[in-house]
Amino acid sequence: KQEVTQIPAALSVPEGENLVLNCSFTDSAIYNLQWFRQDPGKGLTSLLLIQSSQREQTSGRLNASLDKSSGRSTLYIAASQPGDSATYLCAVALRETSGSRLTFGEGTQLTVNP
Amino acid sequence: AAGVIQSPRHLIKEKRETATLKCYPIPRHDTVYWYQQGPGQDPQFLISFYEKMQSDKGSIPDRFSAQQFSDYHSELNMSSLELGDSALYFCASSLLEGTFGYTFGSGTRLTVV
Repeated sequence: KQEVTQIPAALSVPEGENLVLNCSFTDSAIYNLQWFRQDPGKGLTSLLLIQSSQREQTSGRLNASLDKSSGRSTLYIAASQPGDSATYLCAVALRETSGSRLTFGEGTQLTVNP
Repeated sequence: AAGVIQSPRHLIKEKRETATLKCYPIPRHDTVYWYQQGPGQDPQFLISFYEKMQSDKGSIPDRFSAQQFSDYHSELNMSSLELGDSALYFCASSLLEGTFGYTFGSGTRLTVV
């Protein structure tokens, strides 16, 4: 059974800092990995999708890397802003069964202070 | 761009009542997923459909059932509601079972009183 762990559980930083969120998974036979952002009580907004054959993806100030062999992914946020405050969720899809369900980590709650 | 549409946004039901949640996937997406997110928890997979057939099943209670219709919209039916069913219910859709990632709806917040 795939297990996804995110470290740290919570992070508070001053505005302007660069930061790294970590995600690890137990089964390296992944189909893809996706990072999401969730504001309190709201839906999931997709940030970056990394296919199993890729090593990284970039979008604006965000960069996500994937190392399948070690079962790790990182989300790098450059020049953090108060608007980045949210919970960041890492989700992994396996292809062991049809449907490719996502397994989520418990998230990192990020607070960026002005 | 069209997104995943869920209705209703909020729903309040009493214990033992029945609730129906609806999901309209992105046009041409062929796979629909349902997830349940309890307070302070990560989303948990319930069930998925590919081309209108159930493709995978997770931790979905027997009191819940779901289906995908000919127009690809999906409904989650929840009967004999319990207080513990109070949660955010998300629907997501994808093309070719997640090949290009997943798009989530804004969710339905179900409160059972």
